[in-house]
Amino acid sequence: IMLTQSPATLSLSPGDRATLSCRASQSVSFYLAWYQQKPGQAPRLLIYDASNRATGIPARFSGSGSGTDFTLTISSLEPEDFAVYYCQQRSHWPTFGQGTRLEIK
Amino acid sequence: QITLKESGPTQVKPTQTLTLTCTFSGFSLTSDGVGVGWIRQPPGKALEWLSLIYWDDDKRYSPSLRSRLTITKDTSKNQVVLTMTDMDPVDTATYYCAHTRKYFNNWFDSWGQGTLVTVSS
Repeated sequence: IMLTQSPATLSLSPGDRATLSCRASQSVSFYLAWYQQKPGQAPRLLIYDASNRATGIPARFSGSGSGTDFTLTISSLEPEDFAVYYCQQRSHWPTFGQGTRLEIK
Repeated sequence: QITLKESGPTQVKPTQTLTLTCTFSGFSLTSDGVGVGWIRQPPGKALEWLSLIYWDDDKRYSPSLRSRLTITKDTSKNQVVLTMTDMDPVDTATYYCAHTRKYFNNWFDSWGQGTLVTVSS
């Protein structure tokens, strides 16, 4: 199952609302997760099962969607949120999207 | 607190076999549902899942790399070992190990810091 993330790069300012998209080549039900990766660091699990926040993740992060279309929303960007975001599905075997780079405008 | 750390060579030559060790603490690979996976990331590129081993010794491999990968566990040492044969420069990447749980839908909820492996003659 291929995951396509859009946009590849998103340029926003602190305080803005960010909307990141992940589309699966076939239905993955709600079996989708989102990870955040900062330069030189390992990925960190943000959202699992499409809409559940992982432990310690701030409430400004939310996930939605099912089937083939998913969205990660950051309600009001903080300076530390500028990073690369990956979606991942777990049907059959795990695959990741190619990532969305969230950069400061 | 769960921690994982990858170790192994920083450089290997083409055609050689890579052996990476993941040493972990804060959980046991004898506990029901627990697993450890390997994921890699070429410089500037996306993540790619490689392999996964569960507490019951169930092993999973990426279909595209299955013929080159072997994953094992040593529960007495709290270690998981991944070997990859016939290394090529395209295998240059940061290799991560990560904790997962089968009953948590296999999401990777804790990651090691990663280790960069360069394949070059």
